[in-house]
Amino acid sequence: LAKTTQPISMDSYEGQEVNITCSHNNIATNDYITWYQQFPSQGPRFIIQGYKTKVTNEVASLFIPADRKSSTLSLPRVSLSDTAVYYCLVDSGTYKYIFGTGTRLKVLA
Amino acid sequence: GAVVSQHPSWVICKSGTSVKIECRSLDFQATTMFWYRQFPKQSLMLMATSNEGSKATYEQGVEKDKFLINHASLTLSTLTVTSAHPEDSSFYICSARGSGRPQETQYFGPGTRLLVL
Repeated sequence: LAKTTQPISMDSYEGQEVNITCSHNNIATNDYITWYQQFPSQGPRFIIQGYKTKVTNEVASLFIPADRKSSTLSLPRVSLSDTAVYYCLVDSGTYKYIFGTGTRLKVLA
Repeated sequence: GAVVSQHPSWVICKSGTSVKIECRSLDFQATTMFWYRQFPKQSLMLMATSNEGSKATYEQGVEKDKFLINHASLTLSTLTVTSAHPEDSSFYICSARGSGRPQETQYFGPGTRLLVL
């Protein structure tokens, strides 16, 4: 199973860009990288998914280098409502997710 | 995006009773559903994987006789916590996946808070 490693916590200020990097050294050829956001007492919410290079949607960008051993979630101009836990997940090939610690992002005013 | 619902959103029960939690995919057919448990300030822990019409596959350390999972249709999976005890109190979350493609995203339900007295 591909294991992911992320920083446990990060602080940022409103209006700043936040980059959260995840390492997944054992990623397999067919694996995709998916990021989720979770607020307290809620289920995780899909943010973005990618396979290689760069993916952008209306809320975030995902940067994946050529070796795919890491990925970076970029949140532009964060607000207080972006305070949450962010999980990087790699499909293990058996289509099940093994959650790591996630990154607890705190956005300060 | 795809929507997954859970019912109930919270439940309080007495020790020794059984509790059933439903997970439904509202606008897509879920070939695979997953059940997770999350304790306060901790990450999600996968309990089991269920495919429609077949027996669930449980993760190591999860008692299959205590956590009964049924995936009788492509839109419904149920988790029954049998003979619940206070240590079973937790936040239970399901997710659903539409197909076997590697890039198919899992969509999560809102979770069910279980408190066993």
